[in-house]
Amino acid sequence: EDQVTQSPEALRLQEGESSSLNCSYTVSGLRGLFWYRQDPGKGPEFLFTLYSAGEEKEKERLKATLTKKESFLHITAPKPEDSATYLCAVQDPSGNTPLVFGKGTRLSVIA
Amino acid sequence: ETGVTQSPTHLIKTRGQQVTLRCSSQSGHNTVSWYQQALGQGPQFIFQYYREEENGRGNFPPRFSGLQFPNYSSELNVNALELDDSALYLCASSLDGGQGGDTQYFGPGTRLTVL
Repeated sequence: EDQVTQSPEALRLQEGESSSLNCSYTVSGLRGLFWYRQDPGKGPEFLFTLYSAGEEKEKERLKATLTKKESFLHITAPKPEDSATYLCAVQDPSGNTPLVFGKGTRLSVIA
Repeated sequence: ETGVTQSPTHLIKTRGQQVTLRCSSQSGHNTVSWYQQALGQGPQFIFQYYREEENGRGNFPPRFSGLQFPNYSSELNVNALELDDSALYLCASSLDGGQGGDTQYFGPGTRLTVL
């Protein structure tokens, strides 16, 4: 049973064309929802942590929001250097603290 | 502040061999988690170490084992390598020790290829 589902799997945008990535989760008792950026062959780079519904965080062209069942990563006026895979993860509430990841959204921004 | 480092960067082994991967945690962090990432997939949790003790384990067989040292660096050992073990192995450090909600910072990964 998938706990974290990301959509779309892949997204191709023109430079400057804003869009949103979705992360839906089924775990209850969320301890934290995390967004990471991953370039090919490299480790995930931390972007945001969200803890409660209604919370929002921003960094440059990225803005992350959280509801009770999903999170959105909004990308405003993207540039080619924003091209990467964006991973969403939730913290397992079962007592240990591993991250449970979705499969990611591969974003391509074309100049 | 020193980030998470991993060694080696790449490794090629043959089926049945054993491998050891190494991770140095971020300065001030006491918890290390290991993940396996197959191509096109999200990372999968292997296990976590907090103050030299295993603090949780994912759905991986016992031939995956680990250690954490007094300086909080860590090793991942895999015995009897199988072709499906080919993946990017990621180490992440954090400061929560199992309390939850703390951010995990990842290293660059070790690419393991099993032939």
